[in-house]
Amino acid sequence: NAGVTQTPKFQVLKTGQSMTLQCAQDMNHNSMYWYRQDPGMGLRLIYYSASEGTTDKGEVPNGYNVSRLNKREFSLRLESAAPSQTSVYFCASRENRGTQETQYFGPGTRLLVL
Amino acid sequence: GNSVTQMEGPVTLSEEAFLTINCTYTATGYPSLFWYVQYPGEGLQLLLKATKADDKGSNKGFEATYRKETTSFHLEKGSVQVSDSAVYFCALTRSRDDKIIFGKGTRLHILP
Repeated sequence: NAGVTQTPKFQVLKTGQSMTLQCAQDMNHNSMYWYRQDPGMGLRLIYYSASEGTTDKGEVPNGYNVSRLNKREFSLRLESAAPSQTSVYFCASRENRGTQETQYFGPGTRLLVL
Repeated sequence: GNSVTQMEGPVTLSEEAFLTINCTYTATGYPSLFWYVQYPGEGLQLLLKATKADDKGSNKGFEATYRKETTSFHLEKGSVQVSDSAVYFCALTRSRDDKIIFGKGTRLHILP
């Protein structure tokens, strides 16, 4: 099992450009999450999807959109990138049946917006 | 609302020193508690967890005990190694259907 995979690993954008961050998990998990991590701010939840076909806003959703394409894939889109979106983005997944509560994280995407 | 507060870092220790990273929480009901670790350049990974009061989670020499009376879940290790240098996150969830709430993280530096 590859676990949670993210592409790309690194990206540099100019202000106003758009891009999509891809995330996939092969653990058959129901829930998937997107976080951003900034120095001194810890992890902040952007959007999450409790199951295929549903998405909900997290703590900092402005400037982002998401798509839960199927059970495996959950993408994050920046329509018009801004320097304030320079961050490290983490995708995570979680099985929310039975007693399994552990969240599994991808390796991250480092985004720089100039 | 539900929240997690952990000690601010960075914490710098010498190898073989005793480690404590404090974590307290605010939550309704009986949450599950976690410690996650993030090594440089990587995503977070679960270090240990406890699902009910007085449970002790342990892994890789780290321990934390779920103390409901003090709403705490402090992380301890008796003898740290350079390889333990990382960022440590305390977290909670109220149920398997609820989001996981993370603290802001504590950076740990271990000097040889």
